[in-house]
Amino acid sequence: DAGVTQSPTHLIKTRGQQVTLRCSPISGHKSVSWYQQVLGQGPQFIFQYYEKEERGRGNFPDRFSARQFPNYSSELNVNALLLGDSALYLCASSFGQGYGYTFGSGTRLTVV
Amino acid sequence: RKEVEQDPGPFNVPEGATVAFNCTYSNSASQSFFWYRQDCRKEPKLLMSVYSSGNEDGRFTAQLNRASQYISLLIRDSKLSDSATYLCVADYGGSQGNLIFGKGTKLSVKP
Repeated sequence: DAGVTQSPTHLIKTRGQQVTLRCSPISGHKSVSWYQQVLGQGPQFIFQYYEKEERGRGNFPDRFSARQFPNYSSELNVNALLLGDSALYLCASSFGQGYGYTFGSGTRLTVV
Repeated sequence: RKEVEQDPGPFNVPEGATVAFNCTYSNSASQSFFWYRQDCRKEPKLLMSVYSSGNEDGRFTAQLNRASQYISLLIRDSKLSDSATYLCVADYGGSQGNLIFGKGTKLSVKP
């Protein structure tokens, strides 16, 4: 069984640009969450989607948006990139609350 | 105040040692708790869930005290391969359904 897959693995963008990150959950998982992890910190919650509906939003600016598709895959979009958006972006999927989440290997975004 | 706080570390221990990590959480609405392990520049991986009754998986034992809002992880007979960052995680569940991570505690097991 494939795990959580994310693409691309690495990305370099310039300030002001827009980026789209993609995630495919484990088959059968309907919940997808996105996290941002900067060096030396634990992952910070950005969004959670369940059955294509937004179920939670972390403390991130409106430049961050996401959506979930009918096949439960998801995209995270970040507009007007700032240097501070450089981080590892992690996608996680789960059967539901209490089951624990499985993370993808992440997309490492560098903004220059 | 951070919602999930962990020992700052790093912990440097010899092989075979027993090491304990502690974690506190501030939101009593948290419903589920986990320990994740993260290797350098890799994604977090679920190590174990944490239950009030305590649970054990081989050399690893996790404990939850809801009254004190305290979580622990005990690693016995440390191996070199246990070197990693250990993340304490609270799951609020419900309509938010998101995981709140501590900053992590780095463990280095030396020969």
